[in-house]
Amino acid sequence: EADIYQTPRYLVIGTGKKITLECSQTMGHDKMYWYQQDPGMELHLIHYSYGVNSTEKGDLSSESTVSRIRTEHFPLTLESARPSHTSQYLCATHGGGSPDTQYFGPGTRLTVL
Amino acid sequence: AQTVTQSQPEMSVQEAETVTLSCTYDTSENNYYLFWYKQPPSRQMILVIRQEAYKQQNATENRFSVNFQKAAKSFSLKISDSQLGDTAMYFCAFMKQDNTDKLIFGTGTRLQVFP
Repeated sequence: EADIYQTPRYLVIGTGKKITLECSQTMGHDKMYWYQQDPGMELHLIHYSYGVNSTEKGDLSSESTVSRIRTEHFPLTLESARPSHTSQYLCATHGGGSPDTQYFGPGTRLTVL
Repeated sequence: AQTVTQSQPEMSVQEAETVTLSCTYDTSENNYYLFWYKQPPSRQMILVIRQEAYKQQNATENRFSVNFQKAAKSFSLKISDSQLGDTAMYFCAFMKQDNTDKLIFGTGTRLQVFP
């Protein structure tokens, strides 16, 4: 069954650690997105990709980086985590339906102590 | 730039009743898409309903329907026969018809359905 996977689902980590949030999909979609959802639940686009070797910054500035080496995989990396990075991170893909729609993964809830 | 406004931070409704969630948006675009997404507590964001701006007919999906008023830039969601499982955050979202397919979200409305 086509789906979007995010790991880990929950992560508690100390300040200064490097972390990678994984997102993979079996939807067959080219476009992928990362959203940051703050405690007040607002969603902000931080990165997106049109396809392999394509990455773009979103509307909200973020210290994270992304890569897209394979269609199915769109990991997000924080080189040095800080408490201000505490948030939920949602991965999404775009495609299918009429009109084309974004589909979301289950999210990673990150807490930086 | 496009903006999406949800003026109701919280709403509540009794089971089996009907509730309407409001959404307004601002854009100078003529062609775009609008969406309602649902995010249950600690669960995945899922699509509820979508509307193409060029269609005058309001979209419906079972108990969910929209009232799309293009001139007023309004896109409200009506939930009929509310169920306990409808308890969730509801997000209105706008998508410009371009190659980026980026979604712009409102701030959300927290809906509580009471027995």
